[in-house]
Amino acid sequence: ETGVTQSPTHLIKTRGQQVTLRCSSQSGHNTVSWYQQALGQGPQFIFQYYREEENGRGNFPPRFSGLQFPNYSSELNVNALELDDSALYLCASTPGQYHYNEQFFGPGTRLTVL
Amino acid sequence: SQQGEEDPQALSIQEGENATMNCSYKTSINNLQWYRQNSGRGLVHLILIRSNEREKHSGRLRVTLDTSKKSSSLLITASRAADTASYFCATFDNYGQNFVFGPGTRLSVLP
Repeated sequence: ETGVTQSPTHLIKTRGQQVTLRCSSQSGHNTVSWYQQALGQGPQFIFQYYREEENGRGNFPPRFSGLQFPNYSSELNVNALELDDSALYLCASTPGQYHYNEQFFGPGTRLTVL
Repeated sequence: SQQGEEDPQALSIQEGENATMNCSYKTSINNLQWYRQNSGRGLVHLILIRSNEREKHSGRLRVTLDTSKKSSSLLITASRAADTASYFCATFDNYGQNFVFGPGTRLSVLP
């Protein structure tokens, strides 16, 4: 059984560009969530997908969007990058629709916006 | 503001001592979870306590939950250098489809 994987590990972009981050959920998990973690802070919930539909969203603007595919892998897209978007982006998968169980986190993608 | 707030923000102890971290939250919850994070990497789930539970143990970890005070504590007994990490509490509130982490407690265990 493979764990949650994310790609790429590190990414450098410039302000105004667009970025796509990818996540492969743990086998059997149909819910994936994305988090943004600024340095020295706790993770901030961006959104959650359940069976390919957005199932909850935190306080993030529409330029943060996502997709979940039939194999339950997922993408996080961020348009019009801003300097404050520099952070560690974490995805987590869990079985079931809501966070009634533990989440399994990937290692994260470190995004730097210059 | 964040739902979960850990206290203290940082804690430094000697190996073998116990470490206690506290978490407060604001809304009604389904469950409260504790996670560990080493050096800005992915989070590892430690323990989940449901709103109808008051105490839970897992190895050297003991978690309590007081829903009347909207607070939880994590006790790590006989700490080891490998316990050095950031510890976060996270709650799933009953009304929003939102999972909220606190800012974390940075624990340093000195050999």
